[in-house]
Amino acid sequence: GQQVMQIPQYQHVQEGEDFTTYCNSSTTLSNIQWYKQRPGGHPVFLIQLVKSGEVKKQKRLTFQFGEAKKNSSLHITATQTTDVGTYFCAGSRNTGNQFYFGTGTSLTVIP
Amino acid sequence: DTEVTQTPKHLVMGMTNKKSLKCEQHMGHRAMYWYKQKAKKPPELMFVYSYEKLSINESVPSRFSPECPNSSLLNLHLHALQPEDSALYLCASSPFRFAGSSYEQYFGPGTRLTVT
Repeated sequence: GQQVMQIPQYQHVQEGEDFTTYCNSSTTLSNIQWYKQRPGGHPVFLIQLVKSGEVKKQKRLTFQFGEAKKNSSLHITATQTTDVGTYFCAGSRNTGNQFYFGTGTSLTVIP
Repeated sequence: DTEVTQTPKHLVMGMTNKKSLKCEQHMGHRAMYWYKQKAKKPPELMFVYSYEKLSINESVPSRFSPECPNSSLLNLHLHALQPEDSALYLCASSPFRFAGSSYEQYFGPGTRLTVT
């Protein structure tokens, strides 16, 4: 299957610091989705990126899709304790319903 | 109603048992999915149904048998499982308005399965 890697695997930050997770695919993606999974919870959809070089913002979250459509990033400005969880990217090589989740980045925010 | 429900929440079964997991959504979504998630790992795609037809099977062993009786329901029948099949089984649904387009997936809370 598709290889979608994320770095870092774990990140501990002080509340108020910024956080970035990077998603890298071994193949060109048609689109990419981002999900957040709280401890003990289920993945919750955050956003979908489709176009090369696309940048989307949701309040303190900024999502970017690389020009070559093989990588993506999620940046959180001024983290809060509510940002705690694991952030997954999910890439699709073909347009449609077949998404492969990245390895995830677990974020801990220290108050 | 933007909720995907799954039953049961927890299931313990022996290796010779037959059990089923159930998933339901009433959002009118025509794509439904089964994922398997081990602790501290990402969800792994197992099956995708589009318009009640199995469209993707990620080479899942035959001891897992999916079924989509109607557009709101998705089942996963389990038989002769192994201890390594213990995991969180997540169901998801998404709109399917145009073939070849991708949409957000809504996940249920999952069934935590333990095989003894």
